[in-house]
Amino acid sequence: SAVISQKPSRDICQRGTSLTIQCQVDSQVTMMFWYRQQPGQSLTLIATANQGSEATYESGFVIDKFPISRPNLTFSTLTVSNMSPEDSSIYLCSVEVTSGNEQFFGPGTRLTVL
Amino acid sequence: GENVEQHPSTLSVQEGDSAVIKCTYSDSASNYFPWYKQELGKRPQLIIDIRSNVGEKKDQRIAVTLNKTAKHFSLHITETQPEDSAVYFCAASKEIAGNKLTFGGGTRVLVKP
Repeated sequence: SAVISQKPSRDICQRGTSLTIQCQVDSQVTMMFWYRQQPGQSLTLIATANQGSEATYESGFVIDKFPISRPNLTFSTLTVSNMSPEDSSIYLCSVEVTSGNEQFFGPGTRLTVL
Repeated sequence: GENVEQHPSTLSVQEGDSAVIKCTYSDSASNYFPWYKQELGKRPQLIIDIRSNVGEKKDQRIAVTLNKTAKHFSLHITETQPEDSAVYFCAASKEIAGNKLTFGGGTRVLVKP
């Protein structure tokens, strides 16, 4: 596995503002992903963070709302833009360490939008 | 795209009894099936997975079975303990590097002492 950290662990934000979440891994990984988990719900994939190129977004998620960066093989950021209360959720990054599909999750960022 | 259904949504068992969670998937090309355990306020943790070239896999008190023909797979927890109380998620994907996981809706398991 890998040691995965996220910053911040939680935040309370005002509507209309933006928040950038960081995901750091202690070793190089092949793939990084961003998920959203709304209260009491399952995990929904937002996008795959591609190193050196634009992220691949899932249906219902767009780059203008959730811009993603992945400048290298150990780091990625997810920005939640122009936030509304509906964006209140836990945001998790996950990594695929080797090409074996095993994904490991970061600790998550709990976002509350007022 | 892939669709994963998970049942039951909640499961209450007496300590020492067995718990079984079932998932069905829609895409016959899926061939990797992990299970995650998420305790309250914690991250999902991979507890066991199975690939399509095997029908069953066991790790101590947990086991997973796969029926590719019927497109369903199950998690079995034997001799349940209070620390098994958590939300369990099944998922499915194709065994290609970077292929996305599609998650089931989750099962909240409560083990009563």
